[in-house]
Amino acid sequence: AQTVTQSQPEMSVQEAETVTLSCTYDTSESDYYLFWYKQPPSRQMILVIRQEAYKQQNATENRFSVNFQKAAKSFSLKISDSQLGDAAMYFCAYRSWGAGGSQGNLIFGKGTKLSVKP
Amino acid sequence: NAGVTQTPKFQVLKTGQSMTLQCAQDMNHEYMSWYRQDPGMGLRLIHYSVGAGITDQGEVPNGYNVSRSTTEDFPLRLLSAAPSQTSVYFCASSSRQAAFFGQGTRLTVV
Repeated sequence: AQTVTQSQPEMSVQEAETVTLSCTYDTSESDYYLFWYKQPPSRQMILVIRQEAYKQQNATENRFSVNFQKAAKSFSLKISDSQLGDAAMYFCAYRSWGAGGSQGNLIFGKGTKLSVKP
Repeated sequence: NAGVTQTPKFQVLKTGQSMTLQCAQDMNHEYMSWYRQDPGMGLRLIHYSVGAGITDQGEVPNGYNVSRSTTEDFPLRLLSAAPSQTSVYFCASSSRQAAFFGQGTRLTVV
């Protein structure tokens, strides 16, 4: 069974600095997606960034980028120039999308709570 | 452009009461799912559907029922609420590239 592990329950970063959140996963599938979701205190789940496993290039969305190491099954999120609004819970998630409906399910890590200090 | 609409936002139930959490999407996605979020546990899958008329159980299905009569709607039913079902519930609608979530329901069972 696939698993997702976030080993940092809490992280802290100074405003304008850079922080990296870690995520590892386990799967035997070859076709899958990895996601980072942000959950601010409003409780809303917001998609931050997505990586397709077959793409070697690391995904980037403005100040957010990932370091995708497929062989090591690692998928870390880097937030550059941290802002107060980045304070939130961050969830790493995995999903395959092959034959069979259950493979479309998202599997989440337990989350990392990020605090941003002014 | 509504996306995923989930209601209610908050609900308090007494043990043994029943209720339905509503979820509707306007993105024509075949895949919909329900998750519960508990502190320190991440989000866990309750039930999912790969299309109208097709549903299946996820990781934590006990105490919950679902049905999918249309592509747009995927309600979650609690037939007899228990304190262990106190949680935050999310409905999601998915394409291949991403899952889109409703605003969540904070449910308290007393």
